Amino acid sequence: DIQMTQSPSSLSAYVGGRVTITCRASQSVTVYLNWYQQKSGKAPKLLIYSASSLQSGVPSRFSGSGSGTDFTLTISNLQPEDFATYYCQQSFIFPYTFGQGTKLEI
Amino acid sequence: EVQVVESGGVVIQPGGSLRLSCAASGFSFDDFSMHWVRQGPGKGLEWVALITWDGGNRYYADSVKGRFTISRDNSKNAIYLQMNSLRTEDTALYYCAKDSNVLYAMDVWGRGTTVTVSS
Repeated sequence: DIQMTQSPSSLSAYVGGRVTITCRASQSVTVYLNWYQQKSGKAPKLLIYSASSLQSGVPSRFSGSGSGTDFTLTISNLQPEDFATYYCQQSFIFPYTFGQGTKLEI
Repeated sequence: EVQVVESGGVVIQPGGSLRLSCAASGFSFDDFSMHWVRQGPGKGLEWVALITWDGGNRYYADSVKGRFTISRDNSKNAIYLQMNSLRTEDTALYYCAKDSNVLYAMDVWGRGTTVTVSS
């Protein structure tokens, strides 16, 4: 199975700031990499698909990049509603796998 | 409105069986693959299973292979997860999710249904 490793596991930032979350795959997933946001007690929400494509309705301060094994999610101009847990997920090879999550705190 | 709604979660003893349901609405159901994803208490997300639009292909996580079966009824706009030989480690919130048809991202999620496996 492909292992997905996110770093850091948690981080703190300020409103208006910028953060980058990294996701590394144990083997190439080409661009079959998706990012989700999950707020406490809520279902996950798709933010980025195909490594860098912004899901409809998601603010442009969210961006994704990467291919192969190394990917990043960047959030600029952090807003209070962005503080949540973020997961990467590969959809290249079954079984699909998620990273362990990155908790973004104020 | 595009939505999926899960049901069927209960408290059940180890070794028992259970069927979860997911009702879909607001989109052309038989055009899309569908997923089950679970989240244990205080844990991260774990992909469980996928079924393609026609039910012709099904894929599973190693942790549930041979015990869980995903199925769908396109006439009812529903998918199911038959869970057998349940273990305490299957305790989780089970989400149903619609596939986006773009590199298998999951673009619509339900609120989940809770399965607790305990004696």
